[in-house]
Amino acid sequence: AQTVTQSQPEMSVQEAETVTLSCTYDTSESDYYLFWYKQPPSRQMILVIRQEAYKQQNATENRFSVNFQKAAKSFSLKISDSQLGDAAMYFCAYRSEMNSGNTPLVFGKGTRLSVIA
Amino acid sequence: DTGVSQNPRHKITKRGQNVTFRCDPISEHNRLYWYRQTLGQGPEFLTYFQNEAQLEKSRLLSDRFSAERPKGSFSTLEIQRTEQGDSAMYLCASSLDGGREKLFFGSGTQLSVL
Repeated sequence: AQTVTQSQPEMSVQEAETVTLSCTYDTSESDYYLFWYKQPPSRQMILVIRQEAYKQQNATENRFSVNFQKAAKSFSLKISDSQLGDAAMYFCAYRSEMNSGNTPLVFGKGTRLSVIA
Repeated sequence: DTGVSQNPRHKITKRGQNVTFRCDPISEHNRLYWYRQTLGQGPEFLTYFQNEAQLEKSRLLSDRFSAERPKGSFSTLEIQRTEQGDSAMYLCASSLDGGREKLFFGSGTQLSVL
């Protein structure tokens, strides 16, 4: 079974600075998808960014980018120019491509990010 | 697109009572997922539907739990004879397809079993 590990329960960053959240995963598969979700106090999970394992290029979405290291099974999230609204729980998630992707997301335990004004 | 809607937002019940939660997915989404999230943990998969068919159930879903999605629209999750260990946030999500498609989550139902 696939597992997702987020080794940083909590992180903090000064407003306008850059922070990197770590994620590693364990799988024997070669085709899969990786995601970062944000869960603010409102509780609604919001997709931040996603990466297909077959793509070598790291995904970017505005201030959010990933460092995808397939061999190391590492998928870190970098937030640039941090804003107060970035404060939330961040979850790394994995989805297998097996069965045409008809598999559920597997989540890590999350990292709580605080942004200091 | 009005988003995924879950009701109720909070539910407090006494141990041994039955509870039912409802999830209304985004209308054109054929996939619907239920997850459970306890404090300090990431969401854990419970079950999912493609249209009205329940395709997979986690072993977390004991026989006290049942989920339905009649007509492939809204879904209900029922917990019978609730236990204190059932206290958690129950999250519903929907998507158009699997693979790279993103899941749209509701705001969850927070269950407290006294």
